Amino acid sequence: ETGVTQSPTHLIKTRGQQVTLRCSSQSGHNTVSWYQQALGQGPQFIFQYYREEENGRGNFPPRFSGLQFPNYSSELNVNALELDDSALYLCASSLPRVGGTEAFFGQGTRLTVV
Amino acid sequence: DQQVKQNSPSLSVQEGRISILNCDYTNSMFDYFLWYKKYPAEGPTFLISISSIKDKNEDGRFTVFLNKSAKHLSLHIVPSQPGDSAVYFCAATVYGGSQGNLIFGKGTKLSVKP
Repeated sequence: ETGVTQSPTHLIKTRGQQVTLRCSSQSGHNTVSWYQQALGQGPQFIFQYYREEENGRGNFPPRFSGLQFPNYSSELNVNALELDDSALYLCASSLPRVGGTEAFFGQGTRLTVV
Repeated sequence: DQQVKQNSPSLSVQEGRISILNCDYTNSMFDYFLWYKKYPAEGPTFLISISSIKDKNEDGRFTVFLNKSAKHLSLHIVPSQPGDSAVYFCAATVYGGSQGNLIFGKGTKLSVKP
């Protein structure tokens, strides 16, 4: 059973650029959620993908977008990067409903915007 | 407006003693609560959960207590071990709802001293 893996682990981008983060879900999990964790804060829900469709979104602007592929892996894209986008981005895979099995997180991608 | 609050940023405990981590919530719709543990450079790891139909759930050294009337839950670790040193996040959601919409607190950093 493979765990959740994210790439890259670290990334430095310039304000205004675009970035793509990648996530491979745990075997058997068809749901992927993305979270942003700013320094000193808890993870904040960005959005979730289930069967390749967005299935819920948090309070993030449209420049945060995503994709899920048939193998359930996922991408998070952020356009027009701002300094405040600097954070740890976490991907979590799970079954769709709470209580079935809990969300398994990857190690995260540390994004720094300069 | 923080719906899940962990008011203690840090806690220091002697090895072998009890660690008690606290969490308060404001949204009465929440009926499922989870604790995650996070080591540096790793993603959060699921620890234990509790449904609002229970007031206690135990798993080895870890016990979670829920007081619905006070909208308060706590995680007890007995006995505490140096390997328990990590940041602990409390999260809340609606049971049967989307796994993605976990609302996290800011975390409490636990240090267990030998």
